[in-house]
Amino acid sequence: KAGVTQTPRYLIKTRGQQVTLSCSPISGHRSVSWYQQTPGQGLQFLFEYFSETQRNKGNFPGRFSGRQFSNSRSEMNVSTLELGDSALYLCASSLYPMGRSNLNEKLFFGSGTQLSVL
Amino acid sequence: EDKVVQSPLSLVVHEGDTVTLNCSYEVTNFRSLLWYKQEKKAPTFLFMLTSSGIEKKSGRLSSILDKKELFSILNITATQTGDSAIYLCAVGGNTPLVFGKGTRLSVIA
Repeated sequence: KAGVTQTPRYLIKTRGQQVTLSCSPISGHRSVSWYQQTPGQGLQFLFEYFSETQRNKGNFPGRFSGRQFSNSRSEMNVSTLELGDSALYLCASSLYPMGRSNLNEKLFFGSGTQLSVL
Repeated sequence: EDKVVQSPLSLVVHEGDTVTLNCSYEVTNFRSLLWYKQEKKAPTFLFMLTSSGIEKKSGRLSSILDKKELFSILNITATQTGDSAIYLCAVGGNTPLVFGKGTRLSVIA
C-alpha cells in the first residue's frame, strides 16, 4: 500500500510569488491535514479536509488556502509569499476526520515539501 | 489555548545510554497522546496512549501517560545511533492534533 505522497519535494520561490503543493493520501483515507514545520515553532496546524470540505483551520492568514478533490487528493496554495513562509510543509492522512474518536488520531505523514522563499 | 510542551529540546547521549523524553500538555477534552519519530522528513508513528498508567512498549522504546498530572514520558533504553531523530509529542483534544516542538536526540558512538 503506497504511503502519503507529496510533490514537489523541494521548491524555491521569491517573495511575492505564489505556490501550490500537492498531497495524495493513502488509498482509502479520506481525511487530509496540512502542517507547517519550522525550527522555531515546530509543527503548526494549517487545515484539515474531509470529503472535499474544510473541517478545521489553523491560525494562519488568508494567503494560505487549500482544497480537496473527489479522489481525496489535496492541494494547498500560498499566495504573495513572504520570507517567513520558508518551512517544511507536511501533509498527513487518516481514515476519518480528526476528533471523531481516539482511533482516528493516528496520522500518516508524507515526506513533505521543503519550501524556500528568497 | 491547547498547549504541548516537550523537554528537553535537545539531548546528546552515548550509545548504550537510557534516555527519558518528557511531554506535558494542557488541552480541553483530552482524547489521546501520540509519539512520533522524525528522522529526515516524514514523522513516523510510535505510540498512542489514551489511558493513564498503562505502559506501551515496542522493543527498546516504552511510553506511559499520567492523565492526572497531564504528562507523558518516552523511554529509550540501550540507545543506538539509529535512534538519532526528533521525537514529537502530539495531543488530541477539542482541536486537531497539537504538536510540541519536539526533542532532538543525538546518539553518538
